Amino acid sequence: DGGITQSPKYLFRKEGQNVTLSCEQNLNHDAMYWYRQDPGQGLRLIYYSQIVNDFQKGDIAEGYSVSREKKESFPLTVTSAQKNPTAFYLCASSIAEGGEQFFGPGTRLTVL
Amino acid sequence: GQQVMQIPQYQHVQEGEDFTTYCNSSTTLSNIQWYKQRPGGHPVFLIQLVKSGEVKKQKRLTFQFGEAKKNSSLHITATQTTDVGTYFCAGPWGGSNYKLTFGKGTLLTVNP
Repeated sequence: DGGITQSPKYLFRKEGQNVTLSCEQNLNHDAMYWYRQDPGQGLRLIYYSQIVNDFQKGDIAEGYSVSREKKESFPLTVTSAQKNPTAFYLCASSIAEGGEQFFGPGTRLTVL
Repeated sequence: GQQVMQIPQYQHVQEGEDFTTYCNSSTTLSNIQWYKQRPGGHPVFLIQLVKSGEVKKQKRLTFQFGEAKKNSSLHITATQTTDVGTYFCAGPWGGSNYKLTFGKGTLLTVNP
């Protein structure tokens, strides 16, 4: 059963702690993306990766970091430098540039 | 930077009524994509429009891409309760088809 998995579904952290969100895909897609969604807002691109060992900043990369060591995995770390980290985080992948993006179920992060 | 504006922000209809959401870009787009996000869910790809003036239909959904490739619309005929959700348009920007800019979406609610 192909798709994108994100874990955990809900995550709570104390202010000042770094937290890593998992994203795994078995669609054999080259490109992967991280978006942030706030209530009533569209999706804002945090980072994207076109290929393994390469990634680019999106619109709101400050306070976030990523790695792409494997094709299937694109973890996102929310660092303590991110001022407003509480949000819904969505991971996506696409087979090619400009193509349909497939989204994972998302992780809802709450920083207390 | 590119902006993608969507109107209306909210739309409430009676089941059986039609619904239209509009998307306008500040720049010419190479293509535009539409996604639907059910409440509590993740975005799901609906369609991609590429050609100027293109019209595509999916059952009760009709998608249009403007002649100038700066605007698009999604029209739903005879809405059903299953149509409830937020509809987003998204277009590439910054010279990269990987970077999608999403509109803030139109939340459709349907009264049965």
